[in-house]
Amino acid sequence: EPEVTQTPSHQVTQMGQEVILRCVPISNHLYFYWYRQILGQKVEFLVSFYNNEISEKSEIFDDQFSVERPDGSNFTLKIRSTKLEDSAMYFCASSFSASFGTDTQYFGPGTRLTVL
Amino acid sequence: SQKIEQNSEALNIQEGKTATLTCNYTNYSPAYLQWYRQDPGRGPVFLLLIRENEKEKRKERLKVTFDTTLKQSLFHITASQPADSATYLCALAKVRDTGRRALTFGSGTRLQVQP
Repeated sequence: EPEVTQTPSHQVTQMGQEVILRCVPISNHLYFYWYRQILGQKVEFLVSFYNNEISEKSEIFDDQFSVERPDGSNFTLKIRSTKLEDSAMYFCASSFSASFGTDTQYFGPGTRLTVL
Repeated sequence: SQKIEQNSEALNIQEGKTATLTCNYTNYSPAYLQWYRQDPGRGPVFLLLIRENEKEKRKERLKVTFDTTLKQSLFHITASQPADSATYLCALAKVRDTGRRALTFGSGTRLQVQP
């Protein structure tokens, strides 16, 4: 069964450094998402992406964050200058469409980001 | 403000019994509601989606109900097994008319099935 994959599984970085988290969505999916989950808290939406542009973003997704689909398979989340509070599990998700009933989002296994 | 509540942080039941988890929401007009399973350190795994015009949905041992008047969904696992032990999340897409698809998650209910 097709899956969303994410690399790396764990990333440790120093505060102020840039990180890029990578995702390979399910191959025929057209809508891509990033969520994060701080330890012990809810899963929170960051951004959605379709047709090479951001379609929606949350208040969390400020100028320090950016997303890109650099080729036909990868979808990346970049944090320009990491802060301690960016430490969290980051999940990529994808869906086939945005039409009600066919827009179930399938999640990857996550990247645990630790900012020291 | 919009709110989703899963009113049990943890639920312990005996193997073979039916687990019932509750999700309540306020200030939403969702077109549908989804249930996910999350194991420790893993991503949410999609289980079931129920639309606003559906009262009940079933998949194997899982059953979901959706009452838009009460603004509540119930999630049932019948004949529960220790392997069902996990955190179960309910999630809503944002207000239907906006066409926005960001999911808002509840805080989850941690189910523990005792053998």
